Amino acid sequence: GPKVLQIPSHQIIDMGQMVTLNCDPVSNHLYFYWYKQILGQQMEFLVNFYNGKVMEKSKLFKDQFSVERPDGSYFTLKIQPTALEDSAVYFCASSLGRRSTGQLYFGEGSKLTVL
Amino acid sequence: GEKVEQHESTLSVREGDSAVINCTYTDTASSYFPWYKQEAGKSLHFVIDIRSNVDRKQSQRLTVLLDKKAKRFSLHITATQPEDSAIYFCAARATGGNNKLTFGQGTVLSVIP
Repeated sequence: GPKVLQIPSHQIIDMGQMVTLNCDPVSNHLYFYWYKQILGQQMEFLVNFYNGKVMEKSKLFKDQFSVERPDGSYFTLKIQPTALEDSAVYFCASSLGRRSTGQLYFGEGSKLTVL
Repeated sequence: GEKVEQHESTLSVREGDSAVINCTYTDTASSYFPWYKQEAGKSLHFVIDIRSNVDRKQSQRLTVLLDKKAKRFSLHITATQPEDSAIYFCAARATGGNNKLTFGQGTVLSVIP
């Protein structure tokens, strides 16, 4: 089936450094999402993105977070600077549309460890 | 905002038995309810969904029931198999929203051979 690819699968960085998580969504999809999962717990919505703009973001999407998809390349989540509480698995997802075609396809996740 | 509660944090059943996972939601505007399965260390995979214009949907061994009045929906798995073992997440999405899914906390289903 359709696949969402995420790079890297795991990254370890020191607190205060910048990190960029990359997502290659399903090729014809138009909507992109980031979710955060802390150690097997609830999936928390961070942000969704369409047509070059953030549509909606949650309280977890702090000022240190940003997303972009320059020129149809990777959809990225950048955290600058990172904090200890940013340690989690970040899942990217994409969907073709919002309503009847709104099924989300998730990537394998990027595990971020902030030391 | 929407809150989704998943009532069973863990569930163990014997192979061949049925499993039921229950979820409740708070936003009456929610109209789409998907279920996702996550195997250990893997991503979430779509399993089945139901929209608010029906109260039941079946796909092979999976059935989803929706009670809009009680704001409750459930996933029923019949004839369970060891490969059904995983974390199951329910979710809800409001009509007209930005396709934002609110997830439940997840249920760890163990099917014992």
